[in-house]
Amino acid sequence: EVVMTQSPATLYVSPGETVTLSCRASEYVDDKLAWYQQRPGQAPRLLFYDASARETDVPDRFSGSGSGTEFALTISGLQFEDLATYYCQQYYKEPPITFGQGTRLQI
Amino acid sequence: QVQLVESGGGVVQPGGSLRLSCAASGFTFRGYVMHWVRQSPEKGLEWVAVISPDGSQTSYADSVKGRFTISRDNSKNSVFLQMNNLRAEDTAVYYCAKDLLYSVFGSSFLEYWGQGTLVAVSS
Repeated sequence: EVVMTQSPATLYVSPGETVTLSCRASEYVDDKLAWYQQRPGQAPRLLFYDASARETDVPDRFSGSGSGTEFALTISGLQFEDLATYYCQQYYKEPPITFGQGTRLQI
Repeated sequence: QVQLVESGGGVVQPGGSLRLSCAASGFTFRGYVMHWVRQSPEKGLEWVAVISPDGSQTSYADSVKGRFTISRDNSKNSVFLQMNNLRAEDTAVYYCAKDLLYSVFGSSFLEYWGQGTLVAVSS
């Protein structure tokens, strides 16, 4: 199975900052990569699919990029509501679909 | 709007069984691939099982193969997860999720998730 590795595990941030979260696949996954946001006590929420296609209602301060094995999620002008854990998921080589272990944004 | 509501979680002893249900609304349920995904502090998000729109095809994670069965009832807009021979490592919040894929079998990204139901396996 494709192993997804996210870094860092925890990122300490301040409101207004620009942050970049990384996701690496153990093998080629083309652009078949999704990003999810999970706030405490909530279910994951889809942010991006096909690496850079923004889901409806996702603010444009979020952007997704990458292809192949290296991907990034960038948040510009971080807001308090963005404090959450972010997961990447590949769907190029399935089953199984596989998730990264997450990057937690904390103040 | 799309809603997915899981139920059936609880505390069960090792070796026991549980049946999870997920009631769907707000979309043409019979047309879409559906998944179960679980989450624990130890393993993070872990895909469990997937079922085709008509229920004829399924696939499972190796960790649950032979113990769990996914099924659906399109007349009731529901998907189920029968879990047998439960182990401590099955302890997790279980989510049902709607795939993007319509009218075909496979897996892509998960457009919508339920709020989850907690399964705790403990003696």
